Amino acid sequence: DTEVTQTPKHLVMGMTNKKSLKCEQHMGHRAMYWYKQKAKKPPELMFVYSYEKLSINESVPSRFSPECPNSSLLNLHLHALQPEDSALYLCASSQVPVRGSHEQYFGPGTRLTVT
Amino acid sequence: GESVGLHLPTLSVQEGDNSIINCAYSNSASDYFIWYKQESGKGPQFIIDIRSNMDKRQGQRVTVLLNKTVKHLSLQIAATQPGDSAVYFCAENGPPGTYKYIFGTGTRLKVLA
Repeated sequence: DTEVTQTPKHLVMGMTNKKSLKCEQHMGHRAMYWYKQKAKKPPELMFVYSYEKLSINESVPSRFSPECPNSSLLNLHLHALQPEDSALYLCASSQVPVRGSHEQYFGPGTRLTVT
Repeated sequence: GESVGLHLPTLSVQEGDNSIINCAYSNSASDYFIWYKQESGKGPQFIIDIRSNMDKRQGQRVTVLLNKTVKHLSLQIAATQPGDSAVYFCAENGPPGTYKYIFGTGTRLKVLA
């Protein structure tokens, strides 16, 4: 099973709302990722968790707050977003690259619209 | 593999023909490469990968070729089908052994009936 699941599939939120995106995988992967993807562009890395600890933050604004409650779950908490934050948010997972990189599997994404 | 511009390069192929999608990667130290397929409204789907100690790897109807001399990667799809229509991204690990993957700009494949 190489499935990464994400909820919700679509989300519309106002600039003052607080919402969360959720991601789950059961492949035993200990590295989990959040990416942002705008139309006609490749995914851009936001955060990486390794063994449930934040490993990389690509200078993402604090209105995005990641959380990794356990080895299977990854959340992205959203607060006071801007319209330009509207995008497809993708979760991915992989094995930890101890002796080299590994295939990274993506979820279907959450289409976020900020009004 | 830097992302530039708003227009995706497009490759149009007749159904049943072979497709070749090309990618120039950026870091000569990269040692692992992935091809992804992304259909409209979906997340990227892993297709095939290759490590730098190989120059060719075959999957089901797909072949990836790696030319380290000119930092070039290609994806060949045999007997292209309508279901192959999608955007294809190459990705390289950068730097090797880290969590970061550098994505190419993507190529849209259109399969003509």
